[in-house]
This record gives sequence, structure tokens and C-alpha cells, in this order.
Amino acid sequence: KAGVTQTPRYLIKTRGQQVTLSCSPISGHRSVSWYQQTPGQGLQFLFEYFSETQRNKGNFPGRFSGRQFSNSRSEMNVSTLELGDSALYLCASSLSTGIYNEQFFGPGTRLTVL
Amino acid sequence: AQSVTQPDIHITVSEGASLELRCNYSYGATPYLFWYVQSPGQGLQLLLKYFSGDTLVQGIKGFEAEFKRSQSSFNLRKPSVHWSDAAEYFCAVGAAGNTPLVFGKGTRLSVIA
Repeated sequence: KAGVTQTPRYLIKTRGQQVTLSCSPISGHRSVSWYQQTPGQGLQFLFEYFSETQRNKGNFPGRFSGRQFSNSRSEMNVSTLELGDSALYLCASSLSTGIYNEQFFGPGTRLTVL
Repeated sequence: AQSVTQPDIHITVSEGASLELRCNYSYGATPYLFWYVQSPGQGLQLLLKYFSGDTLVQGIKGFEAEFKRSQSSFNLRKPSVHWSDAAEYFCAVGAAGNTPLVFGKGTRLSVIA
């Protein structure tokens, strides 16, 4: 079974631009969560989608948004990029939502904002 | 709200030596506790988890962790470290229901010959 796939793996953008990251979950998984990982803050939860509905949202500004499609694939978008948005963005999928469902992580998308 | 502290940012151990990575959590109710490992260029992989029951839990790759409620700790241990264990380790705490996991900032493990 293929794991969680994230595209692209690396991305370089400049301040003010916007970016879209993609996540394909493991087949059969309906929940997708996004995390931002930085050296200073560690892993911080962005949001979770389940059955195309946002179930949870972390403490990030509205520039960060996401969506989930009917095939469970998910995208996250960051508008008006800032230098501080440089990070590794991780996607995790699970069969369903809730603490008992193990999350499987993708390799991440490394975003650099210049 | 939950919080997790991993007091050690970086630990270096010799191959074959024992390992203990510390994790302290803060949560008013019964916590759900996890340890993940992240190798360079890869995502996180679940090593083990504690929900209830036996406070000593066994995980993959020869790791174990012990839940100590009185100390609010969930330390990760391995009796003999291999060079391939060099990675970053994250402790996380969750709660019942649909609240997201809260991760510690991680401990980077280096293994020397």
C-alpha cells in the first residue's frame, strides 16, 4: 500500500506570493491533517479535514487555508507569504478522525520564502 | 489545554549504550501519549502509544516507554542503541474526542561509534 504522498517536495517562493501544497492520503483514509514544522516552534497543528469538512483548526492566521476533495486528497494554501512561513509542512492521514486513529505522515514539503 | 516538554534538545550516545529520552506532559485528565521518530528527509513514524492499562508499553524497533502519572512523564527507552536510531524524536499528548495532538519540540539523537 502506498504511503502518504506530498507534492511538491521542495518549493521556493518570494514574500507576497501564494503557494498551494498537495497531499494524497493512503488509500481508504478519509482524514487528513496538516502540520507546520519549524526549528523554533516544533510541530504545530494547522487543520484537519474529514469527508471534505474542516473538523479542527489550529491557531494560524487566515492566510492559511485548506480543502479536501471527494477522493480525500487535500490541499493547503498560504497567501501573501511571509519569511516566517518558511517551514516543513507535513500532512498526515488516518482512517477516520479522533485519537484512536493512527496518523501516518508524509515526507513533507519544504517551503522556503525569500 | 495540553502541553508537552522535552527537556533535552540534543543527546549523543555511543552505539550499544542505553538510551532514555525524557518527556513531561501537562494535562488535567487522562492523557493519550505518543512517541514518534523522524529520520532526515522523512515524515514522522509512530513508535508507540499509551492509552490505558499497563504503564509500560512496547513499541517498534526495540523501544519502550513508561507512563508515570505521579511524575507526569512518559520517557522513552531503548537498552542498546544502533547507529540507525539517529533521528529526531517527538513526544505528543492527545485527549479523548477530536482535539489535535500537541507535540513537544523534539530531541535530536546522535549516535557515535
